[in-house]
Amino acid sequence: ETGVTQTPRHLVMGMTNKKSLKCEQHLGHNAMYWYKQSAKKPLELMFVYSLEERVENNSVPSRFSPECPNSSHLFLHLHTLQPEDSALYLCASSQVQGGKNSPLHFGNGTRLTVT
Amino acid sequence: GEDVEQSLFLSVREGDSSVINCTYTDSSSTYLYWYKQEPGAGLQLLTYIFSNMDMKQDQRLTVLLNKKDKHLSLRIADTQTGDSAIYFCAESDQTGANNLFFGTGTRLTVIP
Repeated sequence: ETGVTQTPRHLVMGMTNKKSLKCEQHLGHNAMYWYKQSAKKPLELMFVYSLEERVENNSVPSRFSPECPNSSHLFLHLHTLQPEDSALYLCASSQVQGGKNSPLHFGNGTRLTVT
Repeated sequence: GEDVEQSLFLSVREGDSSVINCTYTDSSSTYLYWYKQEPGAGLQLLTYIFSNMDMKQDQRLTVLLNKKDKHLSLRIADTQTGDSAIYFCAESDQTGANNLFFGTGTRLTVIP
């Protein structure tokens, strides 16, 4: 399989649940991203990992916890979410070399609904 | 901070040309991108243009860049119903792994 794969495609969880989103990239890239896409808002960059080091954390609430065990895998651990966290969560990857970034390649996203 | 703006909606008839416009504020933008998002899917990279170019053509797609006015457009020739999607403009100054800024997206509806 090629590209960026996200699982699950859909997730419904209660506010007291703990769940994890998974992303895997098969492109040999060295940077991975989590974006949040809500209705009528620009894509919000949540977290960036470059060479497995977190380089960006855009004031994301602590109920979202990323994990990047290696350059091909990225997780987003979720706990005690709020209904306003319902959104499409997109994973992306890119190649960063010499300080330059290739275009981002996105997965199909996980549609999260918090009840 | 960086700001990328697009109109929210565009409707065209099948077979006509579509032009989707984007403006940005970052004068240090190096690359400008167009992504397509179909329902239930992620963002698919369509094309991108380096800031020292003013036009790029790829089959039915033509990208025009007016760097002076910070205006980017995507023209789709002979628009088909399969082109119905949300189109996102994005810009980057290419200085690292965390600097891609997206517009809100333009929803293109193609009327048969």
